[in-house]
Amino acid sequence: TQLLEQSPQFLSIQEGENLTVYCNSSSVFSSLQWYRQEPGEGPVLLVTVVTGGEVKKLKRLTFQFGDARKDSSLHITAAQPGDTGLYLCAGQATSGTYKYIFGTGTRLKVLA
Amino acid sequence: DAGITQSPRHKVTETGTPVTLRCHQTENHRYMYWYRQDPGHGLRLIHYSYGVKDTDKGEVSDGYSVSRSKTEDFLLTLESATSSQTSVYFCAISESSGTANTGELFFGEGSRLTVL
Repeated sequence: TQLLEQSPQFLSIQEGENLTVYCNSSSVFSSLQWYRQEPGEGPVLLVTVVTGGEVKKLKRLTFQFGDARKDSSLHITAAQPGDTGLYLCAGQATSGTYKYIFGTGTRLKVLA
Repeated sequence: DAGITQSPRHKVTETGTPVTLRCHQTENHRYMYWYRQDPGHGLRLIHYSYGVKDTDKGEVSDGYSVSRSKTEDFLLTLESATSSQTSVYFCAISESSGTANTGELFFGEGSRLTVL
């Protein structure tokens, strides 16, 4: 069974601070995605990383896929209250069956 | 926004009763998924479908069955609901092309089920 562990589980920071969220597994994934979810809504895709070592930037968000494609990180620079939400990583199983396994989630609250 | 509709959005039922949740899409996407979301567990895959009448089990499939008789509809059935199935259920769709397998998941708004 492929598992994705996220850390930290909860994070409360002040506006302007930087933070990093981690997504770790002992399994290899063919690709890894990061989603953000707001209360009462479904998750929305932020980014997909495919190649080991890949780094993608989305404004103040930086995503990295581990060299071995077993882990990923999300770094937010100068967090803003609008970044508040539940962040989920999701790995695509390597079996080619299009199964997406989600991490346990990191709930971020940015205080003004 | 992707055309995904879940129904019902809220349901309260009693232990032992059957429950069916419906996911309807207007995107003609091949892949459809049912997840449940519980605190501390993120999203856990229940069942998924890779075509009409083609389904497979996910991580937490016990107590659940699915059917997909048309591209646009994916039904999740709890034959005899239990309190442990109280959760928020999300349907998702995806369409991948080529060999990159980087299809984005589009989610519905969720169905909140309470089993008393």
